[in-house]
Amino acid sequence: QVQLVQSGAEAKKPGASVKVSCKASGYNFNNYGIIWVRQAPGQGLEWMGWISGYNGKTKYPQTLQGRVTMTTEKSTSTVYMELRSLRSDDTAVYYCARGSSKTANELAFDLWGQGTLVTVSS
Amino acid sequence: QSVLTQPPSASGTPGQRVTISCSGSNSNVGNYLVNWYQQLPGTAPKLLIYSNDQRPSGVPDRFIASKSGTSASLAISGLQSVDEADYHCAAWDGSLNAWVFGGGTKVTVL
Repeated sequence: QVQLVQSGAEAKKPGASVKVSCKASGYNFNNYGIIWVRQAPGQGLEWMGWISGYNGKTKYPQTLQGRVTMTTEKSTSTVYMELRSLRSDDTAVYYCARGSSKTANELAFDLWGQGTLVTVSS
Repeated sequence: QSVLTQPPSASGTPGQRVTISCSGSNSNVGNYLVNWYQQLPGTAPKLLIYSNDQRPSGVPDRFIASKSGTSASLAISGLQSVDEADYHCAAWDGSLNAWVFGGGTKVTVL
């Protein structure tokens, strides 16, 4: 079955870090990339970055540069997204989705994970 | 504040046609392909339209999208109760070097 399965909900304090996983199955991990998108409560979608499943190349938006890191673990077809220096406005549902393996902007996102709620509160 | 502009809501009765707009600029919609995502309540987004007007396998032909200049639109004809969802447009922005989204449009079937 072609799917992306994400790790469970997280509760963090301001200033901490969170690492969310996204495990791919049912397709060739090397042929696609993974993007991360988040959605704050009642808000729209925000793109957080892209990583190639083929060579681990990454691209992040300027708004998150220095706070976000995406990595791959090819042996398990898993992608990790770490967000540091958490603030209350990082509270959101975080989604991974499948995209291109070559560039961040080549393909639409045709397969989505179920989402992971990250709550940041003191 | 989203880079792409969508109306916050749209509504219609069963069987009617509803149209959602997505307005951008030459750095995104004007020069890059537009995709649309449908997000049913409490679920993850799902790809509805890619490359301006292409439907993935399984998407009903009631969903028709188009693009002209710096604006795109999504039309839902023969509106059904199952179409109640949020609809998001997205495009690459060559100036920001990032994917940008609209704020989403909530479609209600009256």
